[in-house]
Parts: sequence; structure tokens; C-alpha cells
Amino acid sequence: DARVTQTPRHKVTEMGQEVTMRCQPILGHNTVFWYRQTMMQGLELLAYFRNRAPLDDSGMPKDRFSAEMPDATLATLKIQPSEPRDSAVYFCASGPGTGGKSPLHFGNGTRLTVT
Amino acid sequence: SQKIEQNSEALNIQEGKTATLTCNYTNYSPAYLQWYRQDPGRGPVFLLLIRENEKEKRKERLKVTFDTTLKQSLFHITASQPADSATYLCALARDDKIIFGKGTRLHILP
Repeated sequence: DARVTQTPRHKVTEMGQEVTMRCQPILGHNTVFWYRQTMMQGLELLAYFRNRAPLDDSGMPKDRFSAEMPDATLATLKIQPSEPRDSAVYFCASGPGTGGKSPLHFGNGTRLTVT
Repeated sequence: SQKIEQNSEALNIQEGKTATLTCNYTNYSPAYLQWYRQDPGRGPVFLLLIRENEKEKRKERLKVTFDTTLKQSLFHITASQPADSATYLCALARDDKIIFGKGTRLHILP
């Protein structure tokens, strides 16, 4: 059963440190999304890609967040420098189609704690 | 700006009854509306998708309705079971952008 893999599952870091989260989308899926989930804000869209090209990253704080897809099997989300308010669960999701007509497949997230 | 509203309070339903969850939205015209289930510590899992020109969709004990005039979707679980207890999220999609509501926690009481 194909699944989206995210690493690490948990990350605790100190304020000011760089954090890199990785995602392996399902093979053959051409859209990849990054979301952040908190109790207060729910699931917020940070950025998404189609065929490895970024389509929209307006949900990300540009000065500290960056998202890339170096190849079709890897998506990365980087925070530099990290701040306590970045503490959240970060989800990656991939999908086989475009336009929202196909379901998203989510990983189990990276729980980030910034102290 | 786009806004999606789901019941913020948890919903408690007696086992065997029908659970109905609401998703309202403003400032958006989704082409598709999706429902997901999320269990603690896990990512959301897709349940159902309905298109803007469809009124209703069913899958086993699940039923989704979509009213683009009211800007509302209702999600029903019939013959509810304790295993249906989870958080349910609605998601709106147009072009490639998919945005989520905050979800409703559902508790099915045995």
C-alpha cells in the first residue's frame, strides 16, 4: 500500500536553529502540498507544487520558510531561523491529479517543537 | 478572504444514530469539496469527494450533500459506531489549491 513518508516524525530544536523536514510523495503523484496544523489555526496551506514546480507559496512566511522539490521523490520544507511560534505539526500530502478532483494522501506529519 | 467554518464544538452522538456535520464557506467558489477523517497523531485520510454540479454522494454509511447556493456541505454518518469517533475535516478545491476547515471532533457514545 503506497504511502507518503515524512521524516523526522518528531523534532525538538532551539530557537534560531535551522530545521529541515522531508517528504517522499507517492510515486507517480504530480502534486505535492505542505500544510501546518495547530489547535488554533487548524490545517493551514503553506505551499504546493505541480510536477515539481512551485505553484503557490503565499501561505509561508517568506523570510524564514522555504520549500523545494529537488526531484520527484523528495520535497523539503526548511525553516531558518526557527522560532517558538513555528511549533506545530507539519504535513506533506501528494495527489495524482490536478484541480482538486483527486484525493490527497497525507503523511503522518512532523511534530516540531521550538524552545 | 476565504473562510471555511465547521462546528467548533465537539459533537456527541449515541451509537446507532446518524451523525451530521456541517461545513459552511464564504468568499470561495470551489469546484470540488472533499471530506477527510483524522485520528490523533495521524494525517487526514480521504473519505469522499463531491463536484460543484453534484447534489449528493454516497459511500456505504457515508453521505455528503453540496449546496453551492447556500455555500454549505453536510456530511452524514448513518448507523454510527464508536469506531467512527475522530475529527472530520472538509476541504475546498479549485484549480490546484486545496484548503481545509478546522474540523469537527465527533464522539460516538456506546
